[in-house]
Amino acid sequence: GENVEQHPSTLSVQEGDSAVIKCTYSDSASNYFPWYKQELGKRPQLIIDIRSNVGEKKDQRIAVTLNKTAKHFSLHITETQPEDSAVYFCAASTRGGGGNKLTFGTGTQLKVEL
Amino acid sequence: DAGVTQSPTHLIKTRGQQVTLRCSPKSGHDTVSWYQQALGQGPQFIFQYYEEEERQRGNFPDRFSGHQFPNYSSELNVNALLLGDSALYLCASSRGSSTEAFFGQGTRLTVV
Repeated sequence: GENVEQHPSTLSVQEGDSAVIKCTYSDSASNYFPWYKQELGKRPQLIIDIRSNVGEKKDQRIAVTLNKTAKHFSLHITETQPEDSAVYFCAASTRGGGGNKLTFGTGTQLKVEL
Repeated sequence: DAGVTQSPTHLIKTRGQQVTLRCSPKSGHDTVSWYQQALGQGPQFIFQYYEEEERQRGNFPDRFSGHQFPNYSSELNVNALLLGDSALYLCASSRGSSTEAFFGQGTRLTVV
């Protein structure tokens, strides 16, 4: 089955700096890669996703890049703000054709310091 | 739109007991997936329901079972509870297998 590894497990940055979180996946059939943000005691919230036919996607301060050959994808947050502090999870899925089970990474605790 | 709702929010059970958790999907969604999130870990896929049938299943024992009703709501049942079943149980809904999954706020289960 699919295996997703995520690094780093914790990340501390100064406000205004950039943050990068990296994930690798094992199943070459995976074609959908969402990123979720989970604040303490709250539900995971989808912040951005990318499909395997695209190499990069951007939404304001957040961007995701995908390298299918190397089977890795990354989340980039620019101009970080204190409200970006949370746990971020990457996930991989094979969408369509009978299900969209998400396999999650182990999470990255991002702390944005003033 | 109420989004994905789960009940109850918190639950304490004794080892060996049985528990039922409930999930109502987001309006317009017909597919419900259940995940177990242990403290400090990423969510782990339990199973997914579509058209009232289990479509996919993760590596969880038969003590974990579920059901989907005609209105697309779903239940997760866990029998013979173990201390290790203590976790946040998350429900996610989507429309078929081709749209993003939206999560409920979860049910925090504590087994003592």
